Amino acid sequence: AQSVAQPEDQVNVAEGNPLTVKCTYSVSGNPYLFWYVQYPNRGLQFLLKYITGDNLVKGSYGFEAEFNKSQTSFHLKKPSALVSDSALYFCAVRDRAGNNRKLIWGLGTSLAVNP
Amino acid sequence: NAGVTQTPKFRVLKTGQSMTLLCAQDMNHEYMYWYRQDPGMGLRLIHYSVGEGTTAKGEVPDGYNVSRLKKQNFLLGLESAAPSQTSVYFCASQTGLAADTQYFGPGTRLTVL
Repeated sequence: AQSVAQPEDQVNVAEGNPLTVKCTYSVSGNPYLFWYVQYPNRGLQFLLKYITGDNLVKGSYGFEAEFNKSQTSFHLKKPSALVSDSALYFCAVRDRAGNNRKLIWGLGTSLAVNP
Repeated sequence: NAGVTQTPKFRVLKTGQSMTLLCAQDMNHEYMYWYRQDPGMGLRLIHYSVGEGTTAKGEVPDGYNVSRLKKQNFLLGLESAAPSQTSVYFCASQTGLAADTQYFGPGTRLTVL
């Protein structure tokens, strides 16, 4: 079955330190990969996506993510965390073929950046 | 452009009451989705639509009905609300391209007493 795993429910980092939010997936072929962020009491906002090409994808607010095909991972990273980055982060994937009308979502990782 | 809007923002129902949540998008998107979000359970797909006049079931469709009579609107109905339907409901839309992103509305917080 297709699935997305975000192994950490919560990640805590100090402001100014690098952050990583992990995502691994189990989807056949080379899926499209997405990261979304949800600030408190708001809807989800798109951060970045991997379609093809360079494995390192840059997105909004200084975030980037690295696609690793052999490890089936798409970890979200930022070199220097801000308190304002504190939010809920979701990884999602979509199959390139077949039933690709739906996204498969991870359960989310809560990021807390401490001043 | 307003993007994706949802009405209402908040609602409290009693068990057995009915209501309709409205989602509207002004981006001419083909696909629209209804999700519910509950603590620790991520986003779960209720129903979705790939075009005007079409609907399909998602992961958790029981107790909900939907309609897409106009391309820009996607309605989610609860015929007889239950406490288990207390949740935050999000609507999303996107083009028909698999690589495209989904755009989300601000959500509706529903409490069923």
